[in-house]
Amino acid sequence: SQQGEEDPQALSIQEGENATMNCSYKTSINNLQWYRQNSGRGLVHLILIRSNEREKHSGRLRVTLDTSKKSSSLLITASRAADTASYFCATANTGNQFYFGTGTSLTVIP
Amino acid sequence: GAGVSQSPRYKVAKRGQDVALRCDPISGHVSLFWYQQALGQGPEFLTYFQNEAQLDKSGLPSDRFFAERPEGSVSTLKIQRTQQEDSAVYLCASSPSGGVRDTQYFGPGTRLTVL
Repeated sequence: SQQGEEDPQALSIQEGENATMNCSYKTSINNLQWYRQNSGRGLVHLILIRSNEREKHSGRLRVTLDTSKKSSSLLITASRAADTASYFCATANTGNQFYFGTGTSLTVIP
Repeated sequence: GAGVSQSPRYKVAKRGQDVALRCDPISGHVSLFWYQQALGQGPEFLTYFQNEAQLDKSGLPSDRFFAERPEGSVSTLKIQRTQQEDSAVYLCASSPSGGVRDTQYFGPGTRLTVL
């Protein structure tokens, strides 16, 4: 069973707007990672945030992590049509397992 | 350098057939993971190798599923007596270090359809 849940399940925005996706998880983690998946393709790693970090930036991406609330958010600023994809959070627990959430389907309308 | 590759990309099997899915990780990567992704869902963990050792196989759904990585590089996921519920995309990922501390690099997946 999957540990994480993304919210919302689907998101549709206009090009240029910001997109925010949230992820909640259940158990203690070593790190949390966000991935993007275009339809019919493999997953592309976006960003990794460790359990002792609270915020991380990479280009137009901003990720926050609140371990007390067991939640994370991914913000994509100034969205582009090419950002249209499914976005997954994945949590690495203290063992060797990696749990993906259910995903947010993002559509950016040109 | 080359990324993770998987073959075949598509596989159609009749129910009851055995299938073998191959994963070529990034050269030198210690960790290798297999995942199963059903349509519209996130990937679900199947098994984990550190070099040639299979350290976690708790996600394998039944004893019809078997994975190996005999020389610590290429891995094969074998499914015996395939069932329709085995239809999914099977993803392989590798990571430079042991465990789940680092980024995982994913292959394109093998889409298995069981008729």
